[in-house]
Amino acid sequence: EVQLVESGGGLIQPGGSLRLSCAASGFTVISNYMTWIRQAPGKGLEWVSAIYSGGSTYYTDSVRGRFTISRDHSKNTLYLQMNSLRAEDTAVYYCARGRGVMSSHLDYWGQGALVTVSS
Amino acid sequence: EIVLTQSPGTLSLSPGERATLSCRASQSVSSNYLAWYQQKPGQAPRLLIYGVSSRATGVPDRFSGSGSGTDFTLTISRLEPEDFAVYYCHQYGDSPPRDTFGQGTKLEIK
Repeated sequence: EVQLVESGGGLIQPGGSLRLSCAASGFTVISNYMTWIRQAPGKGLEWVSAIYSGGSTYYTDSVRGRFTISRDHSKNTLYLQMNSLRAEDTAVYYCARGRGVMSSHLDYWGQGALVTVSS
Repeated sequence: EIVLTQSPGTLSLSPGERATLSCRASQSVSSNYLAWYQQKPGQAPRLLIYGVSSRATGVPDRFSGSGSGTDFTLTISRLEPEDFAVYYCHQYGDSPPRDTFGQGTKLEIK
């Protein structure tokens, strides 16, 4: 059974750093397109970052240069390193699996990790 | 970037009725890479439809998707109490990825 479990969320001051983890089971993270999607309180879904099966990484403009997506095959875990956090980064962050090796529909989602950026 | 506009913002219907949700794209969606998700309060989104009209595993056949180019529709043929939720459309498939989501349609009980 495919499962994704996020961890690492919390309250952080503006300018701070946080690393989200997404532990996968039932498949290997290097085999699929993996993404981070966020949802600000009371708002819709926003694509944040993705990594292709081949390892290429991509970011939405508002986080490029501040966030880094990565994965660890040995731990079967996806990460999102978030630096220079801003109030507007406050959201629930979901990791999601794409059905293919590149941009594709998202067939499994984690439960989400809440990141609150506030002083 | 392709902008997806969903309508209506809120749809008020009763169980047993038919629901029709719209998603309009600002430009043609390549290869019909259009998906629909259902999200209930406090939960992660759940994939319902991909490739415009293919149902995801375990999705009841009262859910159907249609459309092409820039206009897409999610239809729920006969609403069950558990169908009241927020629905999002999602376009994908570009390389590099430029995934976007619609702003959502809230389906509420009348």
